[in-house]
Amino acid sequence: DTGVSQDPRHKITKRGQNVTFRCDPISEHNRLYWYRQTLGQGPEFLTYFQNEAQLEKSRLLSDRFSAERPKGSFSTLEIQRTEQGDSAMYLCASSLEGVGEQFFGPGTRLTVL
Amino acid sequence: DAKTTQPNSMESNEEEPVHLPCNHSTISGTDYIHWYRQLPSQGPEYVIHGLTSNVNNRMASLAIAEDRKSSTLILHRATLRDAAVYYCTLPLGGSQGNLIFGKGTKLSVKP
Repeated sequence: DTGVSQDPRHKITKRGQNVTFRCDPISEHNRLYWYRQTLGQGPEFLTYFQNEAQLEKSRLLSDRFSAERPKGSFSTLEIQRTEQGDSAMYLCASSLEGVGEQFFGPGTRLTVL
Repeated sequence: DAKTTQPNSMESNEEEPVHLPCNHSTISGTDYIHWYRQLPSQGPEYVIHGLTSNVNNRMASLAIAEDRKSSTLILHRATLRDAAVYYCTLPLGGSQGNLIFGKGTKLSVKP
């Protein structure tokens, strides 16, 4: 296993368009997280899954954002009607259940024009 | 939610020890303290975590104050590859999984 992968690595879109990002976690990890990071800031938690169940969503996650993990493996994050303020790095991480280490992917950089 | 406070930046010389401080005065009794670092254009990388006792691994040591309101990440011999933003993080709410990241400390290492 080569770690957490994310696709695409970069996405440029026009305001108002919908975008979808994919995250493939480490195969045996049952937890999957999405974070957003803007320039000069640390990552901000968005949501997380345990297997296919979405257990927690941040207050930051507006109703334009939706995430799925249909079979408890890969996950998708969709942003509808993108706004310029959505421009950020979207990071995915996975872990085993419990307190331990989260493994982060390289991120998807979104630019909304 | 508990928050962390770190210096914005620190400098070190190569091959010298580095002590990166973090204040977390509102930490809850069961919250683990996690440290991650992030190199430019990469996702964060786990460094170490602990609850009460000091912890050591191949990357670093974590010294936790007795009252748990502060901790220090110790890099024993800084290398140029250790130049990164270091984040001290705490769990979000009651969950031990989701993490709150502050702005972190940008560590520069001089040859």
